[in-house]
Amino acid sequence: DVKVTQSSRYLVKRTGEKVFLECVQDMDHENMFWYRQDPGLGLRLIYFSYDVKMKEKGDIPEGYSVSREKKERFSLILESASTNQTSMYLCASSSWGPAKNIQYFGAGTRLSVL
Amino acid sequence: SQQGEEDPQALSIQEGENATMNCSYKTSINNLQWYRQNSGRGLVHLILIRSNEREKHSGRLRVTLDTSKKSSSLLITASRAADTASYFCATVLNAGGTSYGKLTFGQGTILTVHP
Repeated sequence: DVKVTQSSRYLVKRTGEKVFLECVQDMDHENMFWYRQDPGLGLRLIYFSYDVKMKEKGDIPEGYSVSREKKERFSLILESASTNQTSMYLCASSSWGPAKNIQYFGAGTRLSVL
Repeated sequence: SQQGEEDPQALSIQEGENATMNCSYKTSINNLQWYRQNSGRGLVHLILIRSNEREKHSGRLRVTLDTSKKSSSLLITASRAADTASYFCATVLNAGGTSYGKLTFGQGTILTVHP
C-alpha cells in the first residue's frame, strides 16, 4: 500500500515564525502536492512538484514556498506564519503511470497560528 | 472558483438506505474522481471515471458521468454507519499532457448514516 506520511498531526506556532511541514511518500511517485483545506472552501492547491527540484504554483501560493530535494520528500514552508494560515494542510502524491491521476493523501497536519 | 460543485452540502440518512451525491463542473475534463474523507483525516480515492465512460461500479458504489450536462453522481447503496464521512468529487482538466494529474476539488458532501 502507498504510504504518505506527514511529520506532524497537530502544530501550534506563533505569528511570524518560520514553519516547515514535511511530507514523505514511499511509492517512488513523481508528483507531489500540497493542499490546504478550510470549511466551506474545500481543498485548494498551494504548490505541486512533478520531479525533484521542480515546482509549480497552485491556486493559492502566496505566503508559501516548497522544497523538493529528494524524490520522496516534499516540504511546505511558511516563511512568516500569519493567523490566516491556520488551516488543515494535506500532502498527496501520484505517479506518472496509467493511474497517474489518482492521488494518495497523508493524514493531514492541523496548524494553528496564534 | 471551484471546478466541482457538490450537492447536497449535507445528507443524513438511515442505515440501509441509499445515498446519492451530485457533482457539477464547468470545463472539459479528462476524468472525474470521487474521494472520501473521514473526520479530521486525509482523503482516500474511491473511484475514477473517464470522460468517455458513462457509468462505473465498485462494490456498493455506482458513479455516473454525463459530459453533456457536465455532471456526475455517486450512489452508495445499502449504506452503513461506517460510510459516515465527507465525499468529494475532483476533476482532471482536459489539458493534454501537461496537467501533471492536478485535481480540482469540489467543496464536498457531508454524509451522516444513522444506525
